[in-house]
Amino acid sequence: KAGVTQTPRYLIKTRGQQVTLSCSPISGHRSVSWYQQTPGQGLQFLFEYFSETQRNKGNFPGRFSGRQFSNSRSERKVSTLELGDSALYLCASKTGEGTGELFFGEGSRLTVL
Amino acid sequence: SQQGEEDPQALSIQEGENATMNCSYKTSINNLQWYRQNSGRGLVHLILIRSNEREKHSGRLRVTLDTSKKSSSLLITASRAADTASYFCAPTSNEKLTFGTGTRLTIIP
Repeated sequence: KAGVTQTPRYLIKTRGQQVTLSCSPISGHRSVSWYQQTPGQGLQFLFEYFSETQRNKGNFPGRFSGRQFSNSRSERKVSTLELGDSALYLCASKTGEGTGELFFGEGSRLTVL
Repeated sequence: SQQGEEDPQALSIQEGENATMNCSYKTSINNLQWYRQNSGRGLVHLILIRSNEREKHSGRLRVTLDTSKKSSSLLITASRAADTASYFCAPTSNEKLTFGTGTRLTIIP
């Protein structure tokens, strides 16, 4: 069974640009969560999607958005990038409802210049 | 929101020694999970302990949970160089997992 796949793995953007990251969960998993990891803030929860509906949302500005498709694949978009958005963005999937084990991808490392 | 706080922030021990990390949280939980992260990689699930359990073992890992004190500990016995990583606890409630800043464990060969 393939694991959680995140693309791209690395990318460099400049301030003001926008970026879209993609996450393909493990086959059969209906829940996808996104986290932002920075050295100073640790792992911050962004949002969770379950069956194409946003179920939970962290405390982030409206520049951060996401969606989930019918095949459970998820995209996360950040518009008008700021230097502080430089981070490792991690996607995790789980089978469904409840607080079970999360399966993480390797992350997308975003650098904003 | 519920968030775990790991202690200590960093820990260095000799290979073969035992490593103990602690986690505290604030509100009631459904379960508590521990994860490991190698530098710059994704997190890997280690163990889940339910709120009605007090202790759980998995290989060289032993996790305890004290819901009255709202705390958990992770013990790694007979440490190896490959155990060098960051360790995070994730107290979970209302279907939401949140993480703290982790404990950075370094095993000295």
